[in-house]
Order: sequence, then C-alpha cells, then structure tokens
Amino acid sequence: EDKVVQSPLSLVVHEGDTVTLNCSYEVTNFRSLLWYKQEKKAPTFLFMLTSSGIEKKSGRLSSILDKKELFSILNITATQTGDSAIYLCADHSGGGADGLTFGKGTHLIIQP
Amino acid sequence: SQTIHQWPATLVQPVGSPLSLECTVEGTSNPNLYWYRQAAGRGLQLLFYSVGIGQISSEVPQNLSASRPQDRQFILSSKKLLLSDSGFYLCAWSELNSQPQHFGDGTRLSIL
Repeated sequence: EDKVVQSPLSLVVHEGDTVTLNCSYEVTNFRSLLWYKQEKKAPTFLFMLTSSGIEKKSGRLSSILDKKELFSILNITATQTGDSAIYLCADHSGGGADGLTFGKGTHLIIQP
Repeated sequence: SQTIHQWPATLVQPVGSPLSLECTVEGTSNPNLYWYRQAAGRGLQLLFYSVGIGQISSEVPQNLSASRPQDRQFILSSKKLLLSDSGFYLCAWSELNSQPQHFGDGTRLSIL
C-alpha cells in the first residue's frame, strides 16, 4: 500500500522567513509526485515532479524530487501572509486511472 | 479554459437520509473524474474514479456509490447516510492518466 508522509504537520513562521516542507513516499510503480496548496476549499495545483534532481520553480516557490531517497521538498522564500495554507503532497502511482495518494498535509501559518 | 463545479457547497443531513452530490466539468472532453473525501485529521482519500461514461471504479468499500451519466458529470450518492459519512467531499478531473488533477471547491457534509 502506498504511503505518503509529510513533515512537519504544522509550522508557524514570520513573514519574510524561508520555509522547507518535506514529503517522503513509499510507492510501487511510481510515476510522479505532486504538490498542492489548499486554503479554504479546493486544493490548487503547484508542481508535478517526475525526474530526480530537476528543480521546478514558480516565483518564490520551488520543489525538487529525490527518487533514490524517496522524498521531495517544497521551498518557499520570502514568505508572505498569503502563503498561509495547508500544503499537500501526493504521489501518482500506477493504480487505476492514477488516483492520487495524499499525505496529511503541512499547515503553514505566516505571521505578520 | 476548463472549469469544475460542485454543489452544494455545504449540506447538513440526518442519519439515514439519502445523498446526491453533483460535479460537472466544462471545457474538456472525456476527462478522468474522481471523488475524494477529506475527513478531519486525515489526508484526502480517493473514493471513486471514472475514465468514461458508465465506468466507475471504487477504491474503498463504503456506504457510497458513484455514477457518470454524462461525459462531464459525476455524481456521488448514498441511499442511507451514516455518521461516519461526514467530511469534505472533493471532485477532481484530469485530462489523461498521469496528468495533474484539478479540484472543485468541495462540499462540506455534516451528518446529524
């Protein structure tokens, strides 16, 4: 059975700090790993990672995958209060129609 | 561009009552469709997925069922709700297998 573990479960930092969120996975037939941001309702897609060592970047957010050690990190630099959210990590395995297996998420709070 | 709609946004139902949640996608054809549930303290759990009209696969045994009567319509149902059916229900779509899934705004279901 696939397993996705995120850490920390919650994190409180001050505006302007840099944060690193962790995601480890144990899957068979791995295809990709995805990051989502969930504020109040719908998780919104951030990144999909399929290859080791290739950084994906979008503004102040970046993410990288290590397929040997089975983990991924999500970095946010110069955090802003609008970055406060739950960040979800999910693996995309070879199961039927590639349903996602999610971790419990990291609840990130940015204090002004 | 593609959009996904879910309704209702919130629902309060008594134990033993029926349920029907609806999800529709616009701007794409033959999408993969998914139902997830997010329970308190737990990660998003895949309930059902569909790769085409009338094709439904269930990931976990439960009190719920799903149907896909039209290409871009996905319905989650129950004949008799249980207290354990409470949670946040999210519909998602993707264009193909191994592509990112995009989520609707969800339905918060409370069972009394």
